[in-house]
Amino acid sequence: DAGVTQSPTHLIKTRGQHVTLRCSPISGHKSVSWYQQVLGQGPQFIFQYYEKEERGRGNFPDRFSARQFPNYSSELNVNALLLGDSALYLCASSLTGTVGWEQYFGPGTRLTVT
Amino acid sequence: AQSVTQLGSHVSVSEGALVLLRCNYSSSVPPYLFWYVQYPNQGLQLLLKYTSAATLVKGINGFEAEFKKSETSFHLTKPSAHMSDAAEYFCAVSDSDFGNEKLTFGTGTRLTIIP
Repeated sequence: DAGVTQSPTHLIKTRGQHVTLRCSPISGHKSVSWYQQVLGQGPQFIFQYYEKEERGRGNFPDRFSARQFPNYSSELNVNALLLGDSALYLCASSLTGTVGWEQYFGPGTRLTVT
Repeated sequence: AQSVTQLGSHVSVSEGALVLLRCNYSSSVPPYLFWYVQYPNQGLQLLLKYTSAATLVKGINGFEAEFKKSETSFHLTKPSAHMSDAAEYFCAVSDSDFGNEKLTFGTGTRLTIIP
């Protein structure tokens, strides 16, 4: 079975632009979480969606938004990009979205803002 | 708020030697604890997890970790290092009382294996 897939792999954007990152969870998984990993740091939680509802939000500005579709895939949108948004964006899926269940991570999308 | 602290941003060990990566946590409720590994240009892979069952947890690739409540620690060990263990390791905590599966990660430890 395919693992978590993310697209695109790499992306270069200019300050002020908008970006959309996409994630497809493992088949059968209903929960998707998004994390931001800045170079040299651990991942930071951005959002969790379960059954198309937002279940959790991290400490990120309103420029960050996400949604989950009926097929459980997800999009992360970032508006008005800043240089500090340059990072690896990781998507993770899990079966139930409940604490203690394993989250499976995708390879990430590396976003560079110039 | 829950948090984890990983002592040592870089650890080097000789091939065949003991690997010890340190993690201390802070949580106001019983925590769920995880160790993840990240190879260059890849996502995270779960090594093992503690979810309030046995305090000594065995994971993949010969790694294990022991939950010590009195020391608020969850250190990762492997008896004999292999060259393929070279990677970045992250400790993470999840609060069992939250309604979501948010993971709070440490800053990571880069493990180098010396031939």
